[in-house]
Amino acid sequence: AQSVTQLGSHVSVSEGALVLLRCNYSSSVPPYLFWYVQYPNQGLQLLLKYTSAATLVKGINGFEAEFKKSETSFHLTKPSAHMSDAAEYFCAVSGYNTDKLIFGTGTRLQVFP
Amino acid sequence: DARVTQTPRHKVTEMGQEVTMRCQPILGHNTVFWYRQTMMQGLELLAYFRNRAPLDDSGMPKDRFSAEMPDATLATLKIQPSEPRDSAVYFCASGWGGGGQETQYFGPGTRLLVL
Repeated sequence: AQSVTQLGSHVSVSEGALVLLRCNYSSSVPPYLFWYVQYPNQGLQLLLKYTSAATLVKGINGFEAEFKKSETSFHLTKPSAHMSDAAEYFCAVSGYNTDKLIFGTGTRLQVFP
Repeated sequence: DARVTQTPRHKVTEMGQEVTMRCQPILGHNTVFWYRQTMMQGLELLAYFRNRAPLDDSGMPKDRFSAEMPDATLATLKIQPSEPRDSAVYFCASGWGGGGQETQYFGPGTRLLVL
């Protein structure tokens, strides 16, 4: 069985501050891990994904995430928040033996000027 | 810029009415997913298709929901009869189904309100 846990349903940062959104996974097979972003009234858009190549994955809009097997984590970071980063972020897990994505409950990021 | 399209974008209906939602996947994608998003349950996978054949519909209430792919360019999700608890945003996503590492591309969603 696979699952992801996103710690913190809401995160608030000031513009220019570090963004850190946490995701821990549980998987009985080597996982594939994803971060998606959802802007208001839109569908989900892929930010980045880990597919067992490099453990540090760089995505769009300056985001990156690091796969840490020992900690079963895949936290999302961005060095400097921008107002346009305000959105909901979803971590998701899949595996080599399934097409299904299992999503976390989401973290809403607010960015204050 | 290839995108998944969904119609209608918004739908308000009364309890007991039939609702049909449509999705056009990205040309060339062979896998189509239907998701439902609510505040209480988050994102739930309802069903998905590979090469137009249903692979898994275990997340879908069978008594009132049905999903089909009449052809490679159209996927439909029907609710009959609709109930207020069906109010949600329904997303279609498509991808090249090469396994769990493949990216799913989401449409903008259909926001359904059942009164």
